[in-house]
Amino acid sequence: EPEVTQTPSHQVTQMGQEVILRCVPISNHLYFYWYRQILGQKVEFLVSFYNNEISEKSEIFDDQFSVERPDGSNFTLKIRSTKLEDSAMYFCASGGVVEKLFFGSGTQLSVL
Amino acid sequence: DAKTTQPNSMESNEEEPVHLPCNHSTISGTDYIHWYRQLPSQGPEYVIHGLTSNVNNRMASLAIAEDRKSSTLILHRATLRDAAVYYCILFNDYKLSFGAGTTVTVRA
Repeated sequence: EPEVTQTPSHQVTQMGQEVILRCVPISNHLYFYWYRQILGQKVEFLVSFYNNEISEKSEIFDDQFSVERPDGSNFTLKIRSTKLEDSAMYFCASGGVVEKLFFGSGTQLSVL
Repeated sequence: DAKTTQPNSMESNEEEPVHLPCNHSTISGTDYIHWYRQLPSQGPEYVIHGLTSNVNNRMASLAIAEDRKSSTLILHRATLRDAAVYYCILFNDYKLSFGAGTTVTVRA
């Protein structure tokens, strides 16, 4: 069964550094998302991406965040200058139809 | 976002059915009812969704009240692998908004 692949599974970085989280969505999917989950808290929506542009973003997704789909297969989330509070599990999701999303296993980001 | 209310936790015995309730009294006519689950240390996983009629798939059944103000996810025979957090979500605006969900524990 096809799956969403995220790399790396764990990322440790120093505060103020840039990180790029990578995702390979399921081929032929049209809708792409990033979510995050701080330890012990609920899954939070960050951004949705459709037709090569951001379709919606949350208040969390400020100027420090950006997304790209550079080559038609990868979908990346960049955090320009990480803060301690960015430490979380980040999930990528994709959907062929918007009603049914497939999530990756996540990247655990730890900001020190 | 339209709000859903779920119990914090439920326990079940293996091989028995599990009925997970969800209240959504402010649901609008175009809101689909979605259920996802999150197994430990994994990303959310789609379970089932519906609009008005009851729905069945290989994972579960979804029973929707006639007034659509509540729904019930039914796991017909719980296994240990069904232990997870189950989220009832009203899907709108092309995104999923997760609440706290119901933590399901399955006893062997």
